[in-house]
Amino acid sequence: AQKITQTQPGMFVQEKEAVTLDCTYDTSDPSYGLFWYKQPSSGEMIFLIYQGSYDQQNATEGRYSLNFQKARKSANLVISASQLGDSAMYFCAMRESGSGNTGKLIFGQGTTLQVKP
Amino acid sequence: DTAVSQTPKYLVTQMGNDKSIKCEQNLGHDTMYWYKQDSKKFLKIMFSYNNKELIINETVPNRFSPKSPDKAHLNLHINSLELGDSAVYFCASSQTPRLAGIYEQYFGPGTRLTVT
Repeated sequence: AQKITQTQPGMFVQEKEAVTLDCTYDTSDPSYGLFWYKQPSSGEMIFLIYQGSYDQQNATEGRYSLNFQKARKSANLVISASQLGDSAMYFCAMRESGSGNTGKLIFGQGTTLQVKP
Repeated sequence: DTAVSQTPKYLVTQMGNDKSIKCEQNLGHDTMYWYKQDSKKFLKIMFSYNNKELIINETVPNRFSPKSPDKAHLNLHINSLELGDSAVYFCASSQTPRLAGIYEQYFGPGTRLTVT
C-alpha cells in the first residue's frame, strides 16, 4: 500500500499567487515526521519544511507552510506569493518512529509545479 | 563549502562493467544514506549507515555494495551493471535519527548513471 500519496502529478500557478500541493500519508505509528523537499530541474534535493506528528502548530518556513490535518492524515504544502524560481518538483516524505534510528524516508511520487509569469 | 558531495556527477558505462560512486559529507553527521531515483522520479532508499555500520539494506541486489571507511564517507560500488540500474543515485546524511525530532537529511547533487 502506498504510504505517501501525492495525487497531483502537475500543477500550474500564476506568479505571486499561493498554491497548495497535496500530500496524504498512511501510518499506524503514533510518532512520525513529515517532510517536504524541492527538486529543481538542476536535480538537487532541497529540504523545505518539517512537521512532527506531535507538533501542536502547523510548521512555517518563510513562504512555505504546512497544512497539517492529523485526523485526515494530510500534510499539504502551501507556497505563498509564488515566484518563478519555485518551478520544480516537490516531494512529500515521511519518517516513522518504527524505523528506529534508520532514518528511512518514504517518498511520494512528487508533484511538478510550474509558475507562470 | 559543499555539505554533501558526490563524484562523479555523470557516469555512462556499458552493461557488465563495475563502477563506483563516492560520497562525502562535511556536516559532522554520523548517518548516511543512498537513495535511487528512477526514470519516473520515484525516490527509494537503498542503504542507511550509522557510524559506519549498515542499518538498512532495502532488498537491494547484492551487486550493490556500500562501503563506509569513516563517518564522513559512504561509497557505492556496483558490480555487473544492468540496464535497469540506470537512474540517479543520491547520497544523503543526517544526525542520528531518534524517535522524535527533525533530523532532516541533506542530499548530495546526485549521480546520473546511464548503462548502455
